[in-house]
Amino acid sequence: QKEVEQDPGPLSVPEGAIVSLNCTYSNSAFQYFMWYRQYSRKGPELLMYTYSSGNKEDGRFTAQVDKSSKYISLFIRDSQPSDSATYLCAMTLSGGYNKLIFGAGTRLAVHP
Amino acid sequence: DGGITQSPKYLFRKEGQNVTLSCEQNLNHDAMYWYRQDPGQGLRLIYYSQIVNDFQKGDIAEGYSVSREKKESFPLTVTSAQKNPTAFYLCASRTGTGSEKLFFGSGTQLSVL
Repeated sequence: QKEVEQDPGPLSVPEGAIVSLNCTYSNSAFQYFMWYRQYSRKGPELLMYTYSSGNKEDGRFTAQVDKSSKYISLFIRDSQPSDSATYLCAMTLSGGYNKLIFGAGTRLAVHP
Repeated sequence: DGGITQSPKYLFRKEGQNVTLSCEQNLNHDAMYWYRQDPGQGLRLIYYSQIVNDFQKGDIAEGYSVSREKKESFPLTVTSAQKNPTAFYLCASRTGTGSEKLFFGSGTQLSVL
């Protein structure tokens, strides 16, 4: 079993839809959770960064962490065609700077 | 503009050849990383370096080598011992001051001729 599981998609939604992207993980010691956005043939860029459980909001993006269920989510409100990309979740232990574990990524397509 | 520059964008390797991927950063970050990305798989760590003249193997170091002679530079050599080198290679850096946030370059696509 992989440490981090992420549905690869592709996920296709109409413009303006609310998108929910999810990852599950097996290591209950993970403390830091990140979401990266990667456009085709580009490097990932950090979108959201959260510590432990709870929600974090930044504009149209909301990250949720449920440590009891070992489940994290990224919500995108009012999705735009420019949100079409692959979204990678990543997580690590406290002090695990060099052991970031990535999900395989979910490909999202937002059509006009 | 601060950032991480990877070159070349595309690289082709012949059988038995070593090739070197360049990574330069002007973010003044201490730690640098090389990841390999294959379709349908998460990023896998090849090597990382936390300070100049020191580096550690990641999860898939076999067939690769690195050097860290300057803080700004962390080149990756894909040797002939790496039998399946076709992948998208990503260089990243981190401030090294207790932050888990990674910043990535734009990647190099390596293919075998």
